[in-house]
Parts: sequence; structure tokens; C-alpha cells
Amino acid sequence: NAGVMQNPRHLVRRRGQEARLRCSPMKGHSHVYWYRQLPEEGLKFMVYLQKENIIDESGMPKERFSAEFPKEGPSILRIQQVVRGDSAAYFCASSPRGTGDYEQYFGPGTRLTVT
Amino acid sequence: SQQGEEDPQALSIQEGENATMNCSYKTSINNLQWYRQNSGRGLVHLILIRSNEREKHSGRLRVTLDTSKKSSSLLITASRAADTASYFCATSLTGGGNKLTFGTGTQLKVEL
Repeated sequence: NAGVMQNPRHLVRRRGQEARLRCSPMKGHSHVYWYRQLPEEGLKFMVYLQKENIIDESGMPKERFSAEFPKEGPSILRIQQVVRGDSAAYFCASSPRGTGDYEQYFGPGTRLTVT
Repeated sequence: SQQGEEDPQALSIQEGENATMNCSYKTSINNLQWYRQNSGRGLVHLILIRSNEREKHSGRLRVTLDTSKKSSSLLITASRAADTASYFCATSLTGGGNKLTFGTGTQLKVEL
């Protein structure tokens, strides 16, 4: 049973370009969470999605960031017109349920570097 | 200060010693979870403790939860060099769905 998969593992973008990060949850999991980790800091929640629905986007910056989790395929975190401050590790996690006491399984992360 | 703060920020011990890390939080929680992160890697789940539980064990790990003090501790007994990592507590808040609020982490170094 494959774990949470994220790709790419490393992504380098120039300022102004778009970054597209992908996350495939564990088999049987329909709840996906995105977190961002700045250097030397803990993870910060960004967005929580179920298939075809955004449930909680309270941690998403208001501009340039968007997320989706289509009926088929991976969840996508999209950052438009990247700036240096977007450089961070982006982690995706999945769980089998959205409520109750379920652990979240994390992917290896995508490390975004904006030059 | 933010929800979920670990103490100490960094801890250096000798192999074989015990390591204790503390986590404090501010608001009512559903559960509290501890994760480990090796440098440059993803997070590995260690233990989940529910708000109505006081103590849980898993191998060399022992987690306690005191909801009256809004604090938790993670004890690693008989530490090994392979335990060297950052340890984070994360809380699932009451009414907050299942999203996790992470602390700032404790960097543990276990020396031979």
C-alpha cells in the first residue's frame, strides 16, 4: 500500500513563474491537507480538501494560491507568479475521514525554491 | 505565543539517556499528536492521544496529556543516535475539523 506521494520533490522557479505541486493521497483516503513549512519553523495549515470540494482554506494566502482535488487524479496546489517568500517545503497529508481521531499520513514534501 | 509550543527548542543528550519534550497549547482540543521529522524529510506519525486520555505508550515512547494545564509531554527512553530529529506536537482543535496546528518543534540530538 503506497503512502502519500508528492511530486516533484524539488522544484525551482524564477520569480513570476507558476508552481504546480501534486499530491496523491493514500489508497482509500479522500481527505487531503496541504501544509507549508518555512525554514526552521513548524508546519502551517493551508487548505483542506475532499474530492471536488474545498472544505477549509483558512490558511491559504488570499492571492496567487489555489488548490483543487478533482474527482480523478491528484490534488494540485498551484502558486501563480511566485515570489522569493514562497520558497518553502510544501507537505501534503491524507486521512480516511475528516472528523474524529485519525492520524494524518504525510508525503515527503515538495521543496520549492524561487530564484 | 502560538498554539502548540514545544519546550525546549533544542536538546542534546547522550545515547542511552532519556529525552523529554514538552508541548503547551491554548485552546480546547480533540486530540494531540506527536510527529518526528528527520532533516529535510517528511513527517512520521508517532502517537495520537485523545483529549479524554492521560497517557499512551508505544515502544520506547510515552506521551502524557494534561488538559487542565493544556500541556503534553513526549518521553523517549533509552535514546539512540537514530532518534536524532525534530519533534513536533500538533493539535486538532475542537470545532476545527481535522486540520492540525503544529508547534515550533524540538530539535533533538543524540550523541554517541
